[in-house]
Amino acid sequence: EAGVVQSPRYKIIEKKQPVAFWCNPISGHNTLYWYLQNLGQGPELLIRYENEEAVDDSQLPKDRFSAERLKGVDSTLKIQPAELGDSAVYLCASSLGGEETQYFGPGTRLLVL
Amino acid sequence: GQNIDQPTEMTATEGAIVQINCTYQTSGFNGLFWYQQHAGEAPTFLSYNVLDGLEEKGRFSSFLSRSKGYSYLLLKELQMKDSASYLCAVYNFNKFYFGSGTKLNVKP
Repeated sequence: EAGVVQSPRYKIIEKKQPVAFWCNPISGHNTLYWYLQNLGQGPELLIRYENEEAVDDSQLPKDRFSAERLKGVDSTLKIQPAELGDSAVYLCASSLGGEETQYFGPGTRLLVL
Repeated sequence: GQNIDQPTEMTATEGAIVQINCTYQTSGFNGLFWYQQHAGEAPTFLSYNVLDGLEEKGRFSSFLSRSKGYSYLLLKELQMKDSASYLCAVYNFNKFYFGSGTKLNVKP
């Protein structure tokens, strides 16, 4: 069974540029999470989807971040415009349901110059 | 707020036993997870505790005391490949709260 797929794995952009990350969860997993992880820290939740509905986006900086999961499967996370402080690893995870074990993708390492 | 504490770094010797502690103060509790994360890789699931007591899975065991807000991950017969960060996460009201992780260095 394929795991959570994310792309790109690495991205380097200049500040003020837009960037987008893509995630394909494990087949059949209804719950999808986007996390941000800074070096030496644990993941911090940005947004959680149950199917196509964003049920928790309280930690998403909505002035520059947006996310969508149109058909309840794949998801994209966008930053526009990117700032230097956005440099981090962006992790996508999925689970069968909200209380179930999460499985993480390999992450996208973003460097904003 | 939610507060999860773990030691920042630990060092142990190959073949030994190491215990990584996690204490938490959260407004609610629905379960506690342990994840392993190698440098530059995604976290991978190790264990899940929802009731008090010890859960054993091969070389890894996890313990939970809900009354004390305390958990530990026990790694036996340490191997070099166990060098990684170990993340404690509390599941509470449909959210996962992660600690900052404990970096374990296994030396020969």
